[in-house]
Amino acid sequence: DIQMTQSPSSLSASVGDTVTITCRASQDIAINLIWYQQKPGKAPYLLISDASNLESGVPSRFSGSGSGTVFTFTISRLQPEDVATYYCQQYDVLPPIFGGGTKVSIK
Amino acid sequence: EVQLVESGGGLIQPGRSLRLSCAASGFTFDDFAMHWVRQAPGEGLEWVAGISWNAVPLRYADSVKGRFTISRDNAKNSLYLQMNRLTAADTAIYYCAKDVHLNGDYYFDSWGQGTLVSVSS
Repeated sequence: DIQMTQSPSSLSASVGDTVTITCRASQDIAINLIWYQQKPGKAPYLLISDASNLESGVPSRFSGSGSGTVFTFTISRLQPEDVATYYCQQYDVLPPIFGGGTKVSIK
Repeated sequence: EVQLVESGGGLIQPGRSLRLSCAASGFTFDDFAMHWVRQAPGEGLEWVAGISWNAVPLRYADSVKGRFTISRDNAKNSLYLQMNRLTAADTAIYYCAKDVHLNGDYYFDSWGQGTLVSVSS
């Protein structure tokens, strides 16, 4: 199975900061990479598909980039409502595999 | 509005069986593949099983293969997960998740609220 490694596992930043999360795949997955947001006690929510395609209704402060094996997720101008755990997921090869998650909190 | 409502979770003894259900509404159910994804307490997400629009099972995670069976009833807009020979390692919140494609692209644009399965003696 493909391994998905997310870093960091947690981070704390101030409101208005820019936050960056990295996801690395153990093999080339082209752009077949998803980002989800999971708020405490809630189900995951699809934010970005195909590595950089922002889903309808998702604020533009969220963005994604990358291809192949290295991907980046960025929150510009961090807001209090962005407190959540963020997961990457590859869907290039079965089974679909999630990264370990990055817990984002506010300083 | 897409709604996915899971049911059937609870406390169950090791070795026993449990059947989860997911009632879907707000979209054309038989136009999409469906999946079960689980999350152990305090842990990350693990895909469990998926089924295409026409009820052909797609694949199972190795951790549940041979013990779990995914099925669907398009007439009832419902997804199911039959779980046999449960172990403590199966303790998790089980989410019903909608695929973005009828045959399964294996990513998920809508999720239910989850149902908790606790396996313990």
